[in-house]
Amino acid sequence: NAGVTQTPKFQVLKTGQSMTLQCAQDMNHEYMSWYRQDPGMGLRLIHYSVGAGITDQGEVPNGYNVSRSTTEDFPLRLLSAAPSQTSVYFCASSYSRRQAEAFFGQGTRLTVV
Amino acid sequence: AQSVTQPDIHITVSEGASLELRCNYSYGATPYLFWYVQSPGQGLQLLLKYFSGDTLVQGIKGFEAEFKRSQSSFNLRKPSVHWSDAAEYFCAVGPFTGTASKLTFGTGTRLQVTL
Repeated sequence: NAGVTQTPKFQVLKTGQSMTLQCAQDMNHEYMSWYRQDPGMGLRLIHYSVGAGITDQGEVPNGYNVSRSTTEDFPLRLLSAAPSQTSVYFCASSYSRRQAEAFFGQGTRLTVV
Repeated sequence: AQSVTQPDIHITVSEGASLELRCNYSYGATPYLFWYVQSPGQGLQLLLKYFSGDTLVQGIKGFEAEFKRSQSSFNLRKPSVHWSDAAEYFCAVGPFTGTASKLTFGTGTRLQVTL
């Protein structure tokens, strides 16, 4: 049971480049989320999904796109990377039932130069 | 809007000493509260959660937390700290509906343990 898998673990982008951060879970969780972690700011919610085909914005959605075509996958797209998007990105998933806990991936460290 | 405050950015304790990490929240409804731990270069691991019922909750690794509604607090405690507890600790709040897809995190407290 792999849990929540994020790829890549590290990435360096040039300003203006695009890329997709991958997130996959094998626990059949309905809910999936993306957070970014910046020093002194904790984790902030970017986008989340309550099921396949359903996504919504979190606290800091600008510059990011998501889609959820399957239950297992929830990719995060940066269309035109900016230095302000340098961060550590975490994907999380959980069941939809009450008292469900969120399981986190190991993170992707992204640097935009 | 919901918010979480962890007033201590950095705490240093001696191994074997007791520990209390503070967490205050602001939430318009009954909260769903969590404590997570993050070791360097790792993801987040759930220590414990409070949903309802007994206000003192036990977690993994010997941690416990007490929910105090009157103080809007959910402080994390451990009676005797081990060197392996050195990590960053995050308090988080979610909606009472229980979905863990929309969590609001505090800024974290970094724990250093001296031998």
